Amino acid sequence: AQTVTQSQPEMSVQEAETVTLSCTYDTSESDYYLFWYKQPPSRQMILVIRQEAYKQQNATENRFSVNFQKAAKSFSLKISDSQLGDAAMYFCAYNYGQNFVFGPGTRLSVLP
Amino acid sequence: GAGVSQSPRYKVAKRGQDVALRCDPISGHVSLFWYQQALGQGPEFLTYFQNEAQLDKSGLPSDRFFAERPEGSVSTLKIQRTQQEDSAVYLCASSVTGLGANVLTFGAGSRLTVL
Repeated sequence: AQTVTQSQPEMSVQEAETVTLSCTYDTSESDYYLFWYKQPPSRQMILVIRQEAYKQQNATENRFSVNFQKAAKSFSLKISDSQLGDAAMYFCAYNYGQNFVFGPGTRLSVLP
Repeated sequence: GAGVSQSPRYKVAKRGQDVALRCDPISGHVSLFWYQQALGQGPEFLTYFQNEAQLDKSGLPSDRFFAERPEGSVSTLKIQRTQQEDSAVYLCASSVTGLGANVLTFGAGSRLTVL
């Protein structure tokens, strides 16, 4: 079975600084998708960024970028120029077919 | 609608009561998922619908949990004879096809507290 691991239960970053959240996963598939979702205290999960496993180029979305290492099964999220509104739970997710598996999450605090 | 709508947002039930949680997905979204999220944890898969067909219910924790989507749009998750361990946030998500090429759009969730 596929598993997703996030080894950092909590992280903090100074406003305007850069932070990297880690994620590793386990799968025997070669063609799959990876996601980072953000869940603010209001609870609604919001998509941050998506990566197709067959693409070698790392996905970027404005201040958010990923470091996708397929052989190592690693998928980290980098947040640049951190803002107060970035404070939330961040979930890494793996998808193959209709199977979506989420990690346990990393709580990110942004310090003013 | 513009987003995934869930109701009620909060539900308090006495142990042994039955509860029903509603999800109204984005119009035209074929796939619908239910997840259970315990406090401080990631979402755990419960069940998956493609239109009105329930294709996967392997995550339902017991036969007290039942989900339906009779007309391929609105879905209801029913929990019979609630237990304290059922206390969690129940998240609904929908997508156009359920494949990775499309992403899950989540509702705000229904927080169930069983006393």
